[in-house]
Amino acid sequence: NAGVTQTPKFQVLKTGQSMTLQCAQDMNHEYMSWYRQDPGMGLRLIHYSVGAGITDQGEVPNGYNVSRSTTEDFPLRLLSAAPSQTSVYFCASSSLAIGQRRNTIYFGEGSWLTVV
Amino acid sequence: AQKVTQAQTEISVVEKEDVTLDCVYETRDTTYYLFWYKQPPSGELVFLIRRNSFDEQNEISGRYSWNFQKSTSSFNFTITASQVVDSAVYFCALSAPNTGNQFYFGTGTSLTVIP
Repeated sequence: NAGVTQTPKFQVLKTGQSMTLQCAQDMNHEYMSWYRQDPGMGLRLIHYSVGAGITDQGEVPNGYNVSRSTTEDFPLRLLSAAPSQTSVYFCASSSLAIGQRRNTIYFGEGSWLTVV
Repeated sequence: AQKVTQAQTEISVVEKEDVTLDCVYETRDTTYYLFWYKQPPSGELVFLIRRNSFDEQNEISGRYSWNFQKSTSSFNFTITASQVVDSAVYFCALSAPNTGNQFYFGTGTSLTVIP
């Protein structure tokens, strides 16, 4: 089972460059989200989506864009990378359907991004 | 507002000792879900347990056990007879349908088990 797949796993960017972190899930989950993890700060929500065509901002959305054209994919775009965006990024998905697995969030393996 | 507090930043124990990781949450919702995730040194986030607000039964899974107490808004996690493989960062999290099913994570507790 693939679950949540995110790429790339490692990336080094120069300040000002743009890039897209890809995220795909094969569990037909309605809810997808992006988090960043920084030392001592836990996981902070960047953007999330409750279905195709619907996105919303989380706690730290500045400098990032998302789109949700399909149920499966939820890419995260860094428009103009800054050193403050050096972090580990996690994509996650969850089912909103009633049932035992409702709200359990599943994470991708993480993407280590360094902006120099 | 939703909030999760893990007051223990780092814990070190000697192998075979028991250890309890604390989690205190805040929410005004009556329906909510609590979670524990493990992040080993390899970096991935592994789901351990999910609890809903209507189920206060404690749960045991092998060496792991969870104590959910609504009266104190706590969802503590105990590892019995710790092993080196338990060394990881552990995150407690809260989710509530009334807040769009967003997840709120604590800042994590880094557990080191010394052989």
